[in-house]
Amino acid sequence: RKEVEQDPGPFNVPEGATVAFNCTYSNSASQSFFWYRQDCRKEPKLLMSVYSSGNEDGRFTAQLNRASQYISLLIRDSKLSDSATYLCVVNQAGTALIFGKGTTLSVSS
Amino acid sequence: GAGVSQSPSNKVTEKGKDVELRCDPISGHTALYWYRQRLGQGLEFLIYFQGNSAPDKSGLPSDRFSAERTGESVSTLTIQRTQQEDSAVYLCASSLGHQAAEAFFGQGTRLTVV
Repeated sequence: RKEVEQDPGPFNVPEGATVAFNCTYSNSASQSFFWYRQDCRKEPKLLMSVYSSGNEDGRFTAQLNRASQYISLLIRDSKLSDSATYLCVVNQAGTALIFGKGTTLSVSS
Repeated sequence: GAGVSQSPSNKVTEKGKDVELRCDPISGHTALYWYRQRLGQGLEFLIYFQGNSAPDKSGLPSDRFSAERTGESVSTLTIQRTQQEDSAVYLCASSLGHQAAEAFFGQGTRLTVV
């Protein structure tokens, strides 16, 4: 079952570029949404939670569209250090976190 | 330590042998998750523990896989009669248990079945 779907990429962008990742989820009962980041051969770490009103953290902006069951992540002014895999994650109350397969970003100088 | 601890960090085992992987969650975290990540692939949900509730075992791929958790502390994932397709990184995570809680991951156990 593909509960959370992401474009796997890779996205290859130059430093300073703006890049957007999309994610769709199948379960309309999902209640919490997150973006995690995973560096090569490392464990995933929370990048940001996604709120219905949209939220921003520095160069990162997350949006949620419940009607379309769609989540996005926008990265502005990309840095070399942003190179990683970005994981879309959804959760319902009382159930496990469900991870998308991730979108790979490579930022080059 | 303050983080999620997993042991061993690496395990090489012969096909057919049983293995046991351990996870020590962050103290006070009621939720504990096990995931499997094959090389170059995404995280595959295995099992979820939340407090004293019955665990969600819906992700376990076969009856060779089982997991236990003692109260709100240590968890062990056991794989019996290992197969080569079991080779992967097994990741454990814990959280405070409410739906918006951040999950903190351990560094994983890299299992290689030869």
